[in-house]
Amino acid sequence: DAKTTQPPSMDCAEGRAANLPCNHSTISGNEYVYWYRQIHSQGPQYIIHGLKNNETNEMASLIITEDRKSSTLILPHATLRDTAVYYCIVRVERGTSYDKVIFGPGTSLSVIP
Amino acid sequence: DVKVTQSSRYLVKRTGEKVFLECVQDMDHENMFWYRQDPGLGLRLIYFSYDVKMKEKGDIPEGYSVSREKKERFSLILESASTNQTSMYLCASSVPGQRSYEQYFGPGTRLTVT
Repeated sequence: DAKTTQPPSMDCAEGRAANLPCNHSTISGNEYVYWYRQIHSQGPQYIIHGLKNNETNEMASLIITEDRKSSTLILPHATLRDTAVYYCIVRVERGTSYDKVIFGPGTSLSVIP
Repeated sequence: DVKVTQSSRYLVKRTGEKVFLECVQDMDHENMFWYRQDPGLGLRLIYFSYDVKMKEKGDIPEGYSVSREKKERFSLILESASTNQTSMYLCASSVPGQRSYEQYFGPGTRLTVT
């Protein structure tokens, strides 16, 4: 699976959009980009995933560049509860029945009042 | 909304005790997982189950066993707890196949073995 690079930490003002970047320059055509987050002392939370089109759900938007070498997770109106570590993962959707989640270091997002 | 619940948030056990961690999901997911999470080591898969009574070992199954008698419930058993099993234990569930990486996690059980 392709390696991802994320900034170790970011700050965002409450109410503003949080834009979390992820580089995955070695991504291949059948690899999806997934985002999870983990709030301190809680279980990880799936946020969103995509292949090449931009995706949006009730939590966030995922913008993937045309060459797919990078992506950005956007939290449109960050709240204090969005303070968490955000993980960008690139995975092939395998034909097997399951896959295990593996996290890298991620980006620690601090939303500031 | 998917809901995955775990029986305890915090647990303290003594070395040598048998420990049961329970996980229940309400989304009728076929797949259920047990991970442990330790600082600097990230998430590590202990066991996985893809159906009732079916299980597969993950990366670190030693010292653990699992039970899945009902689709919604997946139990992790520490046969004889040891101090190196002090950790955060996370249960997750998912549908099989292409969306199996979209996993829904419980709140975690922080187990301390003294």
